[in-house]
Amino acid sequence: DAMVIQNPRYQVTQFGKPVTLSCSQTLNHNVMYWYQQKSSQAPKLLFHYYDKDFNNEADTPDNFQSRRPNTSFCFLDIRSPGLGDAAMYLCATAPSLAQSNQPQHFGDGTRLSIL
Amino acid sequence: AQKITQTQPGMFVQEKEAVTLDCTYDTSDPSYGLFWYKQPSSGEMIFLIYQGSYDQQNATEGRYSLNFQKARKSANLVISASQLGDSAMYFCAMRPDDGGADGLTFGKGTHLIIQP
Repeated sequence: DAMVIQNPRYQVTQFGKPVTLSCSQTLNHNVMYWYQQKSSQAPKLLFHYYDKDFNNEADTPDNFQSRRPNTSFCFLDIRSPGLGDAAMYLCATAPSLAQSNQPQHFGDGTRLSIL
Repeated sequence: AQKITQTQPGMFVQEKEAVTLDCTYDTSDPSYGLFWYKQPSSGEMIFLIYQGSYDQQNATEGRYSLNFQKARKSANLVISASQLGDSAMYFCAMRPDDGGADGLTFGKGTHLIIQP
């Protein structure tokens, strides 16, 4: 089945130690998104890629970076994680811009803990 | 800017009853899409139903229907014949329908618990 896969499901890292979260998709969608969802809060968009074009939300901290080496993969890099970065990170995909009524397809998320 | 308001932090409903989850929104975009997602405790976001701002009829998907009142800027989710498996967080979300790749703006969610 076509899907969005996030690895790992759970990630523990130390304060200040760089960490990378991974997302892959078999849907061949043009757009990939990263959301941050803190405990008991709504998901918040960090940034998205349309093909290779990167779009950063205005209030996304510089500590968060992203890479999309090809259509299928997208990575979230946190350069120096702080305690406040502990959250669920959700990856989502969407088809081409012409299909704006199509839902975003989400992965199962990566729950990040900071020690 | 877009804003979604969900005023019910939590709800308890008896199994087999219908339940309405409230959602109001605010936007300056002339065209937009409204979505409902279900998030079980395991964390994945499951798409339930979509309503376009220019759709004349309310959307329905199986036991889910969307009560869309554009003048009131509300898009309430109705779940008929609730089941124990419906217990989860429910998020209302929206995005502009402008041909762009904007992400979703989510409400704070409603925690629905179905009781046997």
